Amino acid sequence: GNSVTQMEGPVTLSEEAFLTINCTYTATGYPSLFWYVQYPGEGLQLLLKATKADDKGSNKGFEATYRKETTSFHLEKGSVQVSDSAVYFCALLNSGGSNYKLTFGKGTLLTVNP
Amino acid sequence: DTEVTQTPKHLVMGMTNKKSLKCEQHMGHRAMYWYKQKAKKPPELMFVYSYEKLSINESVPSRFSPECPNSSLLNLHLHALQPEDSALYLCASSHAGYVQVPETQYFGPGTRLLVL
Repeated sequence: GNSVTQMEGPVTLSEEAFLTINCTYTATGYPSLFWYVQYPGEGLQLLLKATKADDKGSNKGFEATYRKETTSFHLEKGSVQVSDSAVYFCALLNSGGSNYKLTFGKGTLLTVNP
Repeated sequence: DTEVTQTPKHLVMGMTNKKSLKCEQHMGHRAMYWYKQKAKKPPELMFVYSYEKLSINESVPSRFSPECPNSSLLNLHLHALQPEDSALYLCASSHAGYVQVPETQYFGPGTRLLVL
């Protein structure tokens, strides 16, 4: 079956620090990979995605590269801001009969202090 | 535009009440989803509608009743809920692609439900 493992945190950083949140996955076939962000009291927002190996998704200074050889999709940002404080979910969506069902990691709480 | 809207934002109901949650999208998506999210957990899929027909029910209790009146609207009717049903209920939508093609899901802001 499909599964996603991400560092659970919480992660606490100072403003302008470098961020990495690790995400690895297990899946058959050729999944699409996603990072969603959930700000306090809100729903999930799509942060970035990649649909095939070696694709790099990027948005708002965040980046993640789909690495099939290491089955990873680590999230990075060079300089975090207080406004980046949120929960980050790594997720995959597989092709085939279960292509409706997002498989989520457990989420990583990021707190950025000024 | 990638907006999914949900109403109400907050809902408090007793165990004998009947209420409904509403979701709307105007992105031309033909797949719509209900998820339930408990605190500090990832969302859990409840229902999937594809072309206005229920295609997936993830063994959800019958006190939750989904409805898709047209391609833009999705409702979740609630009746005789339990306190453990208190959660954030998220709606999502996507293109209803071919089986081989995973389609990106876009989420709404959610309805925070408290059952007393």
